[in-house]
Amino acid sequence: DAKTTQPPSMDCAEGRAANLPCNHSTISGNEYVYWYRQIHSQGPQYIIHGLKNNETNEMASLIITEDRKSSTLILPHATLRDTAVYYCIVRVEDNDMRFGAGTRLTVKP
Amino acid sequence: DTGVSQDPRHKITKRGQNVTFRCDPISEHNRLYWYRQTLGQGPEFLTYFQNEAQLEKSRLLSDRFSAERPKGSFSTLEIQRTEQGDSAMYLCASSLRGSRTDTQYFGPGTRLTVL
Repeated sequence: DAKTTQPPSMDCAEGRAANLPCNHSTISGNEYVYWYRQIHSQGPQYIIHGLKNNETNEMASLIITEDRKSSTLILPHATLRDTAVYYCIVRVEDNDMRFGAGTRLTVKP
Repeated sequence: DTGVSQDPRHKITKRGQNVTFRCDPISEHNRLYWYRQTLGQGPEFLTYFQNEAQLEKSRLLSDRFSAERPKGSFSTLEIQRTEQGDSAMYLCASSLRGSRTDTQYFGPGTRLTVL
């Protein structure tokens, strides 16, 4: 599975959009981009995933560049409860998840 | 609540003791995964089952570790002769292979402390 690069930490003001970047320049054609988050002392929570098209659900939007070498997770109106570590993972279906260190997002009032 | 449950949530044991953890996946899910997470790191894959068959084991899974899923439903992870380095969060996840995406859903984890 391809390796991902994420900034170690980011801050966001409450109520504003949080844009979390992820680089995956070695992604191959059959690898999906997945996003999970982990709030302190809890199990990782699935957020969203995509292959090449942009995706949106009730939690977030996922924007994947046309060359698929990077993506951005967007939380449209961040709240204090969105403070967590966010993991970007690329994987082929059927494979296990390979987590990196993720981005620690802090939402501030 | 994802529907994946783990028991116990916390376990404190002394070095050298054996411990066993249980995971109950989402009922219709045929795949079950075990991960380990140490402080400040992302989860690391240990092993996974499809139904009752254990299909892959990480090199992290030493011979002191054994996992079972006897009837393709719940799974147990046993650690024999625990060491202080085994202290970690043990996470279970389940997925439905054959669904469109095989997305994994995680349980709350079991936090093990070895004294």
